[in-house]
Amino acid sequence: DGGITQSPKYLFRKEGQNVTLSCEQNLNHDAMYWYRQDPGQGLRLIYYSQIVNDFQKGDIAEGYSVSREKKESFPLTVTSAQKNPTAFYLCASSAIDSSTDTQYFGPGTRLTVL
Amino acid sequence: GQNIDQPTEMTATEGAIVQINCTYQTSGFNGLFWYQQHAGEAPTFLSYNVLDGLEEKGRFSSFLSRSKGYSYLLLKELQMKDSASYLCAVMDSNYQLIWGAGTKLIIKP
Repeated sequence: DGGITQSPKYLFRKEGQNVTLSCEQNLNHDAMYWYRQDPGQGLRLIYYSQIVNDFQKGDIAEGYSVSREKKESFPLTVTSAQKNPTAFYLCASSAIDSSTDTQYFGPGTRLTVL
Repeated sequence: GQNIDQPTEMTATEGAIVQINCTYQTSGFNGLFWYQQHAGEAPTFLSYNVLDGLEEKGRFSSFLSRSKGYSYLLLKELQMKDSASYLCAVMDSNYQLIWGAGTKLIIKP
């Protein structure tokens, strides 16, 4: 089955710790994205990547880092510099050369900082 | 600035029809998307409009007027499983998605 997987589904972290969220896709999509979702707000773009070994900051990149060493994988690290990391994190991917660039989402990771 | 507006919450009755509106102001336009998101889950793609008019897909239809910066999602023959949030998103001139905050739809028996 083709799709996007994220792990873990729930994650708890102590203040001051870095944590890495996994995102893997087997859709052969070139582009991958990380969003953050908070109650009552639209999705906000953290980072995106359109090609291996290249990525760009989104609207709220501060306190986050990413890597894109493989086409299938786009892990997100939430660092201790992120002031309010508790949120629902969504990974998405899209085929750049499609007519619509529709983004498809993984199941999400809910991060709670204790 | 870029802005997407949609109602925060709507209530409808099972079997009825509901229209969820979305207005937008963005720098450029490369299409408008509607997604459905059940509580605690990921958004799932419903529809895409880039030209004016109505796109019908089963019980769901989506309309776009680019001159008015306006779209709506029409849900017919509502079912309890349609209780979810509906997200409107516009792709701007940089091919980035700008997201509305979503409309929570509550279906009552």
